[in-house]
Amino acid sequence: EVQLVESGGGLVKPGGSLRLSCAASGFTFSSYTMNWVRQAPGKGLEWVSSISSSGSYIYYADSVKGRFSISRDNARDSLHLQLNSLKADDTAVYYCARVGFHYDSSAYYYFDYWGQGTLVTVSS
Amino acid sequence: EIVLTQSPGTLSLSPGERATLSCRASQSVSSTYLAWHQQKPGQPPRLLIYGASSRATGIPDRFTGSGSGTDFTLTISRLEPEDFAVYYCHQYGASSTFGGGTRVEIK
Repeated sequence: EVQLVESGGGLVKPGGSLRLSCAASGFTFSSYTMNWVRQAPGKGLEWVSSISSSGSYIYYADSVKGRFSISRDNARDSLHLQLNSLKADDTAVYYCARVGFHYDSSAYYYFDYWGQGTLVTVSS
Repeated sequence: EIVLTQSPGTLSLSPGERATLSCRASQSVSSTYLAWHQQKPGQPPRLLIYGASSRATGIPDRFTGSGSGTDFTLTISRLEPEDFAVYYCHQYGASSTFGGGTRVEIK
């Protein structure tokens, strides 16, 4: 069974830092692109960052570029997100999500599994 | 960046009724990268539809996805009590984007 379990959230002051982790199990972690998606209280989903299976390709949303850093440890089946220079607007539940894929005559990509999320609150 | 606009923002319907949700993209999206997710309060999103029209594992056939290019639709043929939730369209890419969501509420 595929499982994604986030941890590391909490209350942090503006300007502070936090490191989120996502522990993966039930699949070959090193074969999958992974993402972070966040959801502010009462709001919709916002894509944050993506990292390819090998870690060679990394992308960020403009809203977090230069402040957040995604990484992965394929030996430990874990995904990480380093959050620096945090602002109140970064308050959200942070989800890790796996990119599923399917090939027939075309290539299909989609977020097929999500973790339960970890809450980050930025407040003084 | 591709912007996805979902409409309506809220749909008030009764169980047994048909729901039609729209997702419009600011530029053409490959159908193979368009998905729909369902989210209930306090839960993470759940994949319903991928490739614009393929149901994910375990998703009942009352959920149907359709569309291409810039216009996509999710149809729920007969609403069951467990279908009242928020629905998001999602386009996968180097920079993924989500629509703002449609809330399907009980009338």
